[in-house]
Amino acid sequence: NAGVIQTPRHKVTGKGQEATLWCEPISGHSAVFWYRQTIVQGLEFLTYFRNQAPIDDSGMPKERFSAQMPNQSHSTLKIQSTQPQDSAVYLCASVDWGGAETLYFGSGTRLTVL
Amino acid sequence: AQKVTQTQTSISVVEKTTVTMDCVYETRDSSYFLFWYKQTASGEIVFLIRQDSYKKENATVGHYSLNFQKPKSSIGLIITATQIEDSAVYFCAMREGLASGSWQLIFGSGTQLTVMP
Repeated sequence: NAGVIQTPRHKVTGKGQEATLWCEPISGHSAVFWYRQTIVQGLEFLTYFRNQAPIDDSGMPKERFSAQMPNQSHSTLKIQSTQPQDSAVYLCASVDWGGAETLYFGSGTRLTVL
Repeated sequence: AQKVTQTQTSISVVEKTTVTMDCVYETRDSSYFLFWYKQTASGEIVFLIRQDSYKKENATVGHYSLNFQKPKSSIGLIITATQIEDSAVYFCAMREGLASGSWQLIFGSGTQLTVMP
């Protein structure tokens, strides 16, 4: 079991560029969550999918951020026209919904917007 | 709305002693779930222990145990026989029951634990 895999580990973009972050959940887990972590805001919920369907995106900034889960094996978080305030560690987590319902986190992607 | 508060920003202890980290929460749900996670210096976030609100018995896993005081909306984490490698940031988190329609896990701000030799 490789755990939740996030790529890339680090990403540097210029202001206004697009950033796409990838997440591969643990095989067999039916839900994927995205969180953002900053020093100031801490761990913030962004969105989650269950059985690939978007369930709750109440934490997503309404503009520029979008997430998809096209199949069971990966999810993406896309940020268009990145801004310096988007700099953060973006964490993906997956859950075995029928099991202990515990979040297993990936190592995160550190996004730096210059 | 649910809220999780950790007032201790940092704690230092000598190894092999016992430490307690505080956490209080707010929820309107009668059914909810409480968790503690640990974030190591490398950034890895690891699940430690969980308490379901309907269970009266405090959860225990290895050298981690919980002090669940439901009337006070409090869920303290107790680490006995601390080790240097327990040094990390500890997060308390809460998920409301399915009746709320959301599976969001809301985190507290974290407590930095430093275990000294």
